[in-house]
Amino acid sequence: GDSVTQMEGPVTLSEEAFLTINCTYTATGYPSLFWYVQYPGEGLQLLLKATKADDKGSNKGFEATYRKETTSFHLEKGSVQVSDSAVYFCALTGGGSNYKLTFGKGTLLTVNP
Amino acid sequence: DAGVTQSPTHLIKTRGQQVTLRCSPISGHKSVSWYQQVLGQGPQFIFQYYEKEERGRGNFPDRFSARQFPNYSSELNVNALLLGDSALYLCASSSGTSALDTQYFGPGTRLTVL
Repeated sequence: GDSVTQMEGPVTLSEEAFLTINCTYTATGYPSLFWYVQYPGEGLQLLLKATKADDKGSNKGFEATYRKETTSFHLEKGSVQVSDSAVYFCALTGGGSNYKLTFGKGTLLTVNP
Repeated sequence: DAGVTQSPTHLIKTRGQQVTLRCSPISGHKSVSWYQQVLGQGPQFIFQYYEKEERGRGNFPDRFSARQFPNYSSELNVNALLLGDSALYLCASSSGTSALDTQYFGPGTRLTVL
C-alpha cells in the first residue's frame, strides 16, 4: 500500500539556519503530495502541496518539489525563525483512495534564538 | 469564522468501555474525516463521511464506527476500548470528498484508556 517515510527527528536549528526535511514515498499511480504542520496546541494545517511531477509547492518561505524520479518531496526553507518550531508531516493522496491522506511519522523542528 | 471544533478535549476511559467523540465541521463543509494519531506517529485515516454517507474506511476493526448528522456534524464511536486505542483523535472537514480539497483539522480529542 501507499506509504510515506520522512527523516527522523528531532531537528534542532539556530534562527536563520537552512532547513531540509527529507520525505520519500511509495504509491501506486501518481499521488498528490503535501506538507502539513502542527504548531504546539493547534490543529494540523496545510503548509503546501504539489499535484504532479516537477510541481513546486511554496508557502511562508517553505518550498518542496515533487520529484517523480526519486519519489521524493523534501521540505526546505532558507532561513528558519523561532516561530517555525512545530511538527512537520509529509503526506500523500492518490490512486484509488484519493479520499484519504497517508501521513509520515512527523518531524519535530525546534528553532532556537 | 469558527474552525473545526471537537469535544471533549480530553477523555479518560477504562478498558472495555465505550466512547463517543464529536466533531463540528466548518460551516458549509459537507465532508468529515476522522484520523487516529498515536503518540510519535502520523495520523492514520479511520473514516470519511460525505452527505451523511460513508465514503471511505481505513484499516480499523469493527469496534470503530461513525455517523454524520443532517447538519454535517459527526460522531466517532469506539466500543470495547483497548489500551492501544489511546491516541489523539482528529477530525477534518472539507468541502468535497477528495483529499485534494483542503482539509481543515480540529485540535483533536485526547483519549486515554487505562
